[in-house]
Amino acid sequence: AQSVTQPDIHITVSEGASLELRCNYSYGATPYLFWYVQSPGQGLQLLLKYFSGDTLVQGIKGFEAEFKRSQSSFNLRKPSVHWSDAAEYFCAVGAREAAGNKLTFGGGTRVLVKP
Amino acid sequence: NAGVTQTPKFQVLKTGQSMTLQCAQDMNHEYMSWYRQDPGMGLRLIHYSVGAGITDQGEVPNGYNVSRSTTEDFPLRLLSAAPSQTSVYFCASKGAGAIYEQYFGPGTRLTVT
Repeated sequence: AQSVTQPDIHITVSEGASLELRCNYSYGATPYLFWYVQSPGQGLQLLLKYFSGDTLVQGIKGFEAEFKRSQSSFNLRKPSVHWSDAAEYFCAVGAREAAGNKLTFGGGTRVLVKP
Repeated sequence: NAGVTQTPKFQVLKTGQSMTLQCAQDMNHEYMSWYRQDPGMGLRLIHYSVGAGITDQGEVPNGYNVSRSTTEDFPLRLLSAAPSQTSVYFCASKGAGAIYEQYFGPGTRLTVT
């Protein structure tokens, strides 16, 4: 069965500083990987996704993530954080089998941005 | 397109009451799903549907029923609410095939007293 671990429950970062959110997954083959963001009181919005090819993936809002097969990781990064990036971030893995529709989510990382 | 819509936004129930959470999408997506979100646990899949007339259980299906009579609608029914069902519920839809992303609704915050 697939699983996702986000080791950091909370991260506090100063505005303008860099941000890295960790994600480790467990899956028998190369999975589909996603990062979603949830602003307070809102639904989830897709930041980026990895299916195949280049292991460095660019997303919206200046985010990027790197797939590292050897480490079973898909960490999210942003070089310079803005106050509007304060939100909860979820990593998710999707299976590649025929239906391939189910997502398994990590527990989330809440990001606080200090002025 | 309105995307994925959910009603109501907030609901308070007493233990034992029943209710239906509504979900609709206007993107002609075949796949729809319901998740619940609890602190520290991310989103957990309750039920999903790969098309009209077809539903299946997810990770945490107990206490919930679903049906899919049309492509657009995927209601979630709580037959006898329990305090353990206090949560935020999200509906999502996507095109057929693993490569497509899921689109999420705004959520329903349910409190069971």
